Amino acid sequence: DQQVKQNSPSLSVQEGRISILNCDYTNSMFDYFLWYKKYPAEGPTFLISISSIKDKNEDGRFTVFLNKSAKHLSLHIVPSQPGDSAVYFCAASVSGTASKLTFGTGTRLQVTL
Amino acid sequence: GAVVSQHPSRVICKSGTSVKIECRSLDFQATTMFWYRQFPKQSLMLMATSNEGSKATYEQGVEKDKFLINHASLTLSTLTVTSAHPEDSSFYICSARQAGRPQHFGDGTRLSIL
Repeated sequence: DQQVKQNSPSLSVQEGRISILNCDYTNSMFDYFLWYKKYPAEGPTFLISISSIKDKNEDGRFTVFLNKSAKHLSLHIVPSQPGDSAVYFCAASVSGTASKLTFGTGTRLQVTL
Repeated sequence: GAVVSQHPSRVICKSGTSVKIECRSLDFQATTMFWYRQFPKQSLMLMATSNEGSKATYEQGVEKDKFLINHASLTLSTLTVTSAHPEDSSFYICSARQAGRPQHFGDGTRLSIL
């Protein structure tokens, strides 16, 4: 049972444009959501997170939006840069950062010149 | 930023060998460490949660006698894959967490059992 889903396995975006990565979840108990970026042969790197009490969190070029009623979150990257090319995982947890993470299957982002 | 070191990065060994993987938090004390496994093109699957000074909590379906976890200090956790077989070949990743902060991950260990 995949509780966190990323339905797009890959996404290609031109440099300078907006990248939108989507994530859906089924467990209504999840109250903390994170996005991680992963390069080949490296571990995931934390990007940005959002608590369920918010619907938006912004950090530089990265913004995460949370729609609790739809059980949907998205990561916006603008402007996209070639160095953003990587696999992006969304993750969710219950009871904040103390708890174990459930990961989505990842979306491979390719930012083209 | 928080740094987690995982060693070795790659292991190739014969079937039946036991393999130890180390995970260290270099610049913070990790109250909790986690061990994940990732198969190709799949998500990271949590194997176990490791708290310093206590027994690890294993996820359903993960054999605790197969995957031995030791968290002897606030900066070190080890995962030992005992009597490894080809089906244990995978990418193993650890993460470490300080209270109130997101998990930070090591770079993973590619384990190949021949």
